[in-house]
Amino acid sequence: ELKVEQNPLFLSMQEGKNYTIYCNYSTTSDRLYWYRQDPGKSLESLFVLLSNGAVKQEGRLMASLDTKARLSTLHITAAVHDLSATYFCAVDTGTVNDMRFGAGTRLTVKP
Amino acid sequence: GAGVSQSPRYKVAKRGQDVALRCDPISGHVSLFWYQQALGQGPEFLTYFQNEAQLDKSGLPSDRFFAERPEGSVSTLKIQRTQQEDSAVYLCASSPAFSGYGYTFGSGTRLTVV
Repeated sequence: ELKVEQNPLFLSMQEGKNYTIYCNYSTTSDRLYWYRQDPGKSLESLFVLLSNGAVKQEGRLMASLDTKARLSTLHITAAVHDLSATYFCAVDTGTVNDMRFGAGTRLTVKP
Repeated sequence: GAGVSQSPRYKVAKRGQDVALRCDPISGHVSLFWYQQALGQGPEFLTYFQNEAQLDKSGLPSDRFFAERPEGSVSTLKIQRTQQEDSAVYLCASSPAFSGYGYTFGSGTRLTVV
């Protein structure tokens, strides 16, 4: 069974600092997604990573995928308060019932 | 429509009551998914439709849960004889195809069973 592990689960950081969220998964996949969820809201798609070595950047967030290591990272640069949210990675093995989400990383950015 | 629409946003049901949750996906999206999200957890897969065909329902937790998408657009998730453990947010998502595109999620229905 596909397992997706995120760490850390909780992250409190100061504005202006950098940090990385990690997403490890247990089986072969070359499709990985990052989502953002604000409290009481639905999930917003951030990045779709479709191949080994894929790197995508949007504003202060950059996501990468290493399919050999079964690892994706979400790097936050110079954090601002607006980035406070829960971030989920999701792994897709190409089988319909094998789309699995991690438990999420709850990020709080403090002034 | 512009996004995935779910209704109702909130539902309070008495234990044993039947409920029906509606999802209106993005027009033209072939794939439709239902997820259950417990408080503080990631979404858990319930079921998947490709057009009107329910291709996978392995995530439905019991035979009290039933989903349909009769005309390949709007979908309904029905829960019979609700139990307290059914309390969660039920998310619907649609996608142009099965894989590789990411999903567009609706705002969800928060179900509370009392």
